[in-house]
Amino acid sequence: QQQVKQSPQSLIVQKGGISIINCAYENTAFDYFPWYQQFPGKGPALLIAIRPDVSEKKEGRFTISFNKSAKQFSLHIMDSQPGDSATYFCAASSATTGGQFYFGTGTSLTVIP
Amino acid sequence: GAGVSQSPSNKVTEKGKDVELRCDPISGHTALYWYRQSLGQGLEFLIYFQGNSAPDKSGLPSDRFSAERTGGSVSTLTIQRTQQEDSAVYLCASSLRRAYNEQFFGPGTRLTVL
Repeated sequence: QQQVKQSPQSLIVQKGGISIINCAYENTAFDYFPWYQQFPGKGPALLIAIRPDVSEKKEGRFTISFNKSAKQFSLHIMDSQPGDSATYFCAASSATTGGQFYFGTGTSLTVIP
Repeated sequence: GAGVSQSPSNKVTEKGKDVELRCDPISGHTALYWYRQSLGQGLEFLIYFQGNSAPDKSGLPSDRFSAERTGGSVSTLTIQRTQQEDSAVYLCASSLRRAYNEQFFGPGTRLTVL
């Protein structure tokens, strides 16, 4: 059973456009939601994370929007750049569930120059 | 300081052989995780260590898979009698504690079973 569902599987965006990746979860015990970025041949690296006490967190061009009632969260990449082309994974975790990280299936983002 | 390192970076083996994959976590990180990433797929959780103990082995796909961690540091993932479906990238990550802490990933070991 997939604890975290991620969409779309792939995304192509023009340079300067907005990239949006969505994730949904079922377990209301989750209370930590990170996004990881992975370049080919590399391990994932933490990009940005949010806790459910806020509805939005912004770091530079990257923003997480969180909707607790809908059990959804999304990553927005503003002014997308070719260097943003990578695979993005959402995840969810909670100390009450043992702290295991449940990852989405990933979104392959391609930003066209 | 140094990040998470994994060795070997690539491993090609024949079906039925045993393989050992090594992970050196960041110094001081008590939590260590192993994941498997198949081509174009997400991250499949395999096992988690807190110190030298493994309270969560729920992700190990079969009894051919085992892992150990010694001295609260280096971890080894062993796959016995490898099968072609074991071909994947095996990623190791470490964090200061389990929940709410950033996981730092290594570059992975690409395993190919012929």
